[in-house]
Amino acid sequence: EAAVTQSPRNKVAVTGGKVTLSCNQTNNHNNMYWYRQDTGHGLRLIHYSYGAGSTEKGDIPDGYKASRPSQENFSLILELATPSQTSVYFCASGGPGQGANERLFFGHGTKLSVL
Amino acid sequence: SQWGEENLQALSIQEGEDVTMNCSYKTYTTVVHWYRQDSGRGPALIILIRSNEREKRSGRLRATLDTSSQSSSLSITAAQCEDTAVYFCARKMSNYNVLYFGSGTKLTVEP
Repeated sequence: EAAVTQSPRNKVAVTGGKVTLSCNQTNNHNNMYWYRQDTGHGLRLIHYSYGAGSTEKGDIPDGYKASRPSQENFSLILELATPSQTSVYFCASGGPGQGANERLFFGHGTKLSVL
Repeated sequence: SQWGEENLQALSIQEGEDVTMNCSYKTYTTVVHWYRQDSGRGPALIILIRSNEREKRSGRLRATLDTSSQSSSLSITAAQCEDTAVYFCARKMSNYNVLYFGSGTKLTVEP
């Protein structure tokens, strides 16, 4: 079974602080994604990557940066955290299959609280 | 039904009943994914249906895809308590190689 590991599982940050959420996949998938999920709503795409060295903006990229230093690792960075970024963040890798047939494998999520 | 900016919907049924969740979309799509999310975990794919399939079954799950009405449905036959979860439909947009999720349906199956 495909494995996606997120760290930390829980994080409390202060407003204005820097937060880095990490994601590691052992699936050798090219594509990786960061979503956020807020209570009562679906998943919204923040950033994604097609491979090492690439990052693309999703629907809600403002206030977030992403980094893909290797095939396995994809980080989400909040340079100046704000309370509105309090949410649950999910990382996913995509494969096998291409395009519309691509299946996503999700991590367990990181619960972030910005105080 | 779910999609777009609609808030999470909720359904509550008794064990043994059948249930259908719906998903509608505005633009043409050839593949719809259905994901299930258990409490405290990330979503997991449970069934994927392509436009040339129209209907697909997996155990007690049945998915349909109607490209003419631009809608998809997920049915669960004889629901069990362990089917309690949030169910999302998802699809690729034509101009983006990424998966977009509906708002979800929270299903509660009571004993």
